[in-house]
Amino acid sequence: DAGVIQSPRHEVTEMGQEVTLRCKPISGHDYLFWYRQTMMRGLELLIYFNNNVPIDDSGMPEDRFSAKMPNASFSTLKIQPSEPRDSAVYFCASSFFSPSNEKLFFGSGTQLSVL
Amino acid sequence: QKEVEQDPGPLSVPEGAIVSLNCTYSNSAFQYFMWYRQYSRKGPELLMYTYSSGNKEDGRFTAQVDKSSKYISLFIRDSQPSDSATYLCAMAGLERGSTLGRLYFGRGTQLTVWP
Repeated sequence: DAGVIQSPRHEVTEMGQEVTLRCKPISGHDYLFWYRQTMMRGLELLIYFNNNVPIDDSGMPEDRFSAKMPNASFSTLKIQPSEPRDSAVYFCASSFFSPSNEKLFFGSGTQLSVL
Repeated sequence: QKEVEQDPGPLSVPEGAIVSLNCTYSNSAFQYFMWYRQYSRKGPELLMYTYSSGNKEDGRFTAQVDKSSKYISLFIRDSQPSDSATYLCAMAGLERGSTLGRLYFGRGTQLTVWP
């Protein structure tokens, strides 16, 4: 398996522009997570899905952020409008829950720079 | 106060040294404790997974949990240059029969092992 695939790897945009980050989870995984990582705050959970349904979006910083999972193999995280403070590495992770194996598989991340 | 506190380092040691990495936490409901390793420009990967208190050993790595002190540790014996990475602690309680829903990460400790 190719693992969790994220695109793009790098995104540079100007303040006010819309940004869309994409994620393909590992086939068969029923949980999908979006995290944001910065030097100051570390790794923060933004939102997670179970069987394509959003379960907890309390980590989404504000209404400018939205996430969707239209099917089991694809999810997007959208920022509109983007701001310089959104600059961070955004990770997608997936997992298959079983009592004996609770392990998150992370993608390589999207480095977002908002100028 | 953050749920999980971790000294970001950086920590620099010579090859062969014993490395000790630590985290403290405030939520007594945490029962599951993990260490993730993150190489530069990659996503975190699960290294060790421990339930409740006690020790767990895997090769050169030993994870310890002291719930009475709300303190967890990761020891690396005979450290190698390939161990150079950022180490993140993570922990969770039990929600909806799974720990996956809300995983709290430390900020990570950057480790360099020099030859």
